[in-house]
Amino acid sequence: QSVLTQPPSASGTPGQRVTISCSGSSSNIGSNTVNWYQQLPGTAPKLLIYSNNQRPSGVPDRFSGSKSGTSASLAISGLQSEDEADYYCAAWDDSLNGHGVFGGGTKLTVL
Amino acid sequence: QVQLVQSGAEVKKPGASVKVSCKASGYTFTSYGISWVRQAPGQGLEWMGWISAYNGNTNYAQKLQGRVTMTTDTSTSTAYMELRSLRSDDTAVYYCAREVAVAGIFFDYWGQGTLVTVSS
Repeated sequence: QSVLTQPPSASGTPGQRVTISCSGSSSNIGSNTVNWYQQLPGTAPKLLIYSNNQRPSGVPDRFSGSKSGTSASLAISGLQSEDEADYYCAAWDDSLNGHGVFGGGTKLTVL
Repeated sequence: QVQLVQSGAEVKKPGASVKVSCKASGYTFTSYGISWVRQAPGQGLEWMGWISAYNGNTNYAQKLQGRVTMTTDTSTSTAYMELRSLRSDDTAVYYCAREVAVAGIFFDYWGQGTLVTVSS
């Protein structure tokens, strides 16, 4: 059971917009920034969004992040086949002397 | 360019220990921390802990306290993660990642991963 809650799956057709939610609590998302990672099959995760809504250089502006209260979301617009991957949210949790927490991951399927 | 290169796959028996290395290049090693994240087969990501390459300070996940030790060798820009008393549920791919901000879970570069298999 992950500390951050994500839907296990999401899907969309090419060109569509999809969103992935991430729900936490006051000790993690409520008081710290959220980062998102994309993991393509058989590869290491890659930083997609940091500090709630910032994109590292090289990440297309089709990807965007937002945060409100104890929840965050990742939006992907103009869905492409290469976006099919697992997506994880992550945040610092201030409880128990502080520790990192991830969401359980969302598998995105491009139909 | 920034690179994190990890040691090769390991097969260990239950109760044994494993030490995974992560050699950094392309940046000033002591300017960033290194975090370790693992992923059991077919499962999600699990944060294991963090070490400051500057002063060696560590922060471990509570469930691994007492079994995990993270160290660095600044002379070779290498980070190490040792896990002891291995159990079958420690079977996973272990990743090192460069931590941009302390207590941020903000990893901008990752190693390629090291598969550790625990089996009798």
